[in-house]
Amino acid sequence: QSALTQPASVSGSPGQSITISCTGTSSDIGSYNLVSWYQQLPGKAPKLMISEVNKRPSGVSDRFSGSKSGNTASLTISGLQAEDEGDYYCCSYAGSGNWVFGGGTKLTVL
Amino acid sequence: QVQLVQSGAEVKEPGASVKVSCEASGYSFNYYAIHWVRQAPGQRLEWMGWINAGNANTKYSENFQGRVTFIRVSASTAYMELSSLRSEDTAVYYCARGFEHAGGFDFWGQGALVTVSS
Repeated sequence: QSALTQPASVSGSPGQSITISCTGTSSDIGSYNLVSWYQQLPGKAPKLMISEVNKRPSGVSDRFSGSKSGNTASLTISGLQAEDEGDYYCCSYAGSGNWVFGGGTKLTVL
Repeated sequence: QVQLVQSGAEVKEPGASVKVSCEASGYSFNYYAIHWVRQAPGQRLEWMGWINAGNANTKYSENFQGRVTFIRVSASTAYMELSSLRSEDTAVYYCARGFEHAGGFDFWGQGALVTVSS
């Protein structure tokens, strides 16, 4: 199972919006609405930000939103804040009980 | 509140085995699966597999098949055992709560650093 493809880095200024893409295949993202997104701050465990493509867990800011089209999922962060800086990972169900993560994207707030 | 608490850091020699525990509290343990995810230094998250905490069914990533075992040892604790360790297995190992094929991984342990070195 190959890792999902994410850009290595994205950046934006405070207040701007950014989008992180996550590209898979018809066997994972394209087949299931089971894409999730995780924020990982330095030295910390990952935190669930979006599940099932576009569901926000309780306590996660509504500045975070998710979507999917075909084999590509996206995470959009609006009203960028300094505290959003960190690494972001997508994850998808890949069938037969398997899951696969993306390569990760480093978000820099300028 | 939901918590997953993992065992501490380990240093192992190449060829040895390591066990990492994950103790859950604050929810009905049997209702969820425990997923295991590792992260080598400076690298991406890598999914290793899951154990259904209710019926102890397991699923292992093909990348670890034959070297990893997940065990449910009590009403609140699961273990991950990785054998035939090599230097490339040096990583932080996380447990996370989720389902076999639904949702996302909504609560994570603090991670356990396993260092493989002679």
